[in-house]
Amino acid sequence: DTAVSQTPKYLVTQMGNDKSIKCEQNLGHDTMYWYKQDSKKFLKIMFSYNNKELIINETVPNRFSPKSPDKAHLNLHINSLELGDSAVYFCASSQDLGTGPLSVQYFGPGTRLTVT
Amino acid sequence: KNQVEQSPQSLIILEGKNCTLQCNYTVSPFSNLRWYKQDTGRGPVSLTIMTFSENTKSNGRYTATLDADTKQSSLHITASQLSDSASYICVVSAGDMRFGAGTRLTVKP
Repeated sequence: DTAVSQTPKYLVTQMGNDKSIKCEQNLGHDTMYWYKQDSKKFLKIMFSYNNKELIINETVPNRFSPKSPDKAHLNLHINSLELGDSAVYFCASSQDLGTGPLSVQYFGPGTRLTVT
Repeated sequence: KNQVEQSPQSLIILEGKNCTLQCNYTVSPFSNLRWYKQDTGRGPVSLTIMTFSENTKSNGRYTATLDADTKQSSLHITASQLSDSASYICVVSAGDMRFGAGTRLTVKP
């Protein structure tokens, strides 16, 4: 019944490694997102993906890349992990990318990434 | 400087009491404003979403107000419950989405 799911819930890895976080939504939504929540609890959007169009936050390093095998999935790949990548990463989805009620976002439970 | 400022940073109230959380923004142009509730260890959950033409919107015991002229919004929680303990995040959409740092609310018995 989970609307937006992420795996894994926790991820501990060493600097320099490459890792992926998976996200799936069963809501039939057209748009998916990745957010990073740092230690100060600020949520920052990293990517939004709608109908094969990717919108990237220009501050996101190119070590981060989203991959969407189909409309229900948007996975996050991270190369050459750095200490500063430690954070909680949230996946979200919405019906569309607009501003009306259909753009309400549903968030996943988050993945806590710790880079040592 | 963040364009969405929330106050207070944290708040402790007794169960059953009311409280009001504030959100001031400088984002322009403005599309809509959202309030989210984030329980510890979970993703945010949408409470309300308002466009610039809406002044108030309720969701159960949660009532959000918006003054687009002064660029202020508030979230009023009535008859608080222990389960209201969470972070409340204000998000302003203006092309992209700008998040406030949140207000951490603790409701004590």
